[in-house]
Amino acid sequence: AQKITQTQPGMFVQEKEAVTLDCTYDTSDPSYGLFWYKQPSSGEMIFLIYQGSYDQQNATEGRYSLNFQKARKSANLVISASQLGDSAMYFCAMKNSGGYQKVTFGTGTKLQVIP
Amino acid sequence: DAMVIQNPRYQVTQFGKPVTLSCSQTLNHNVMYWYQQKSSQAPKLLFHYYDKDFNNEADTPDNFQSRRPNTSFCFLDIRSPGLGDAAMYLCATSRGDRGTYEQYFGPGTRLTVT
Repeated sequence: AQKITQTQPGMFVQEKEAVTLDCTYDTSDPSYGLFWYKQPSSGEMIFLIYQGSYDQQNATEGRYSLNFQKARKSANLVISASQLGDSAMYFCAMKNSGGYQKVTFGTGTKLQVIP
Repeated sequence: DAMVIQNPRYQVTQFGKPVTLSCSQTLNHNVMYWYQQKSSQAPKLLFHYYDKDFNNEADTPDNFQSRRPNTSFCFLDIRSPGLGDAAMYLCATSRGDRGTYEQYFGPGTRLTVT
């Protein structure tokens, strides 16, 4: 069974500062993918960034980077230069590479960016 | 633009009155998912289709059914909605194969049960 843990229910960050959202995972499969999604108050889930278990380098997408520490089973999201529009719920998720296509979500972190 | 479309965006139904939510995609993805998300909670997977193969989660109530008549469309039927079924319903798609591909989500349908 796979499990995703997000221990920060809520976070505050000052505008233009960087923030790290924590995510740890547990799986017995050697091949998996880790994702981060953003969900604004409108409800739509927006894909941010992906990290494969065999990727040698940490993923980056613009202001988003994923701090992947495989031995620790952590996949923290780093948002640099926070903007007011970054205020939203952030979900970490995991998918195994097998034929069964289930994705497991964490409980989410609510990020609020302060002007 | 290729996308995942959900209709309607807001749906109000009466207690016990059947309701159908729809999802369509132009991505030609093999896999389509239905999630239920209640306020301040993570999305909860109800079921998914891999092509025509239906995969039901063990804890999905029998009240929830799904149909996928073709690659592009998938429907969620709630046979007798209860007050506890009021939620956001999210449809998502992804490539199949054995890779680890991200899911593309639709904008969701917010269901109210009166």
